Amino acid sequence: AQSVSQHNHHVILSEAASLELGCNYSYGGTVNLFWYVQYPGQHLQLLLKYFSGDPLVKGIKGFEAEFIKSKFSFNLRKPSVQWSDTAEYFCAVRGYSTLTFGKGTMLLVSP
Amino acid sequence: DVKVTQSSRYLVKRTGEKVFLECVQDMDHENMFWYRQDPGLGLRLIYFSYDVKMKEKGDIPEGYSVSREKKERFSLILESASTNQTSMYLCASSLLAGATNTGELFFGEGSRLTVL
Repeated sequence: AQSVSQHNHHVILSEAASLELGCNYSYGGTVNLFWYVQYPGQHLQLLLKYFSGDPLVKGIKGFEAEFIKSKFSFNLRKPSVQWSDTAEYFCAVRGYSTLTFGKGTMLLVSP
Repeated sequence: DVKVTQSSRYLVKRTGEKVFLECVQDMDHENMFWYRQDPGLGLRLIYFSYDVKMKEKGDIPEGYSVSREKKERFSLILESASTNQTSMYLCASSLLAGATNTGELFFGEGSRLTVL
């Protein structure tokens, strides 16, 4: 079975700080990897995804993530966060079938 | 843009009531899903469907059933609601994942159900 582990449940940063949210998955085969974001009061939306090819993927709003196959990781990064990045972030993996989500990381950015 | 519409944003029901949550997508997606979202637990898959009249159990199907009579519509049914089913329910749809498609999910805005 596939599973996803997100390292932090809550992260608090000041504006302009750099962000890295950890995500590790367990699945032995080929995977598709995703980061979704849920802004307060809004629906979940796709931030970025890895399908194949370049392991460094860029998403919306300046986010990027790097797929490191040897570490089973897909960490999300942003060099300088903004107050508007306050949201809950979910990592997800698709192995053989459906998407499995991590438990989420709540990011609070203080102005 | 894909639109996934959930019929009710907020519902309050009593223990033992039958509850229907409706979801409609407008992009001719093959796959549809129901998740529940709880604080600290993330999203957990209840049921999904690959095609009309097809359904598959997810990770937490107990106490739920689903119906997919038309491609665009996927209903979640709580036969006898209980207080531990108080949650946010999310519907999603996707294309069939394949060699050129990750099958990413498109979500509705959610239905917050409170069972008293």
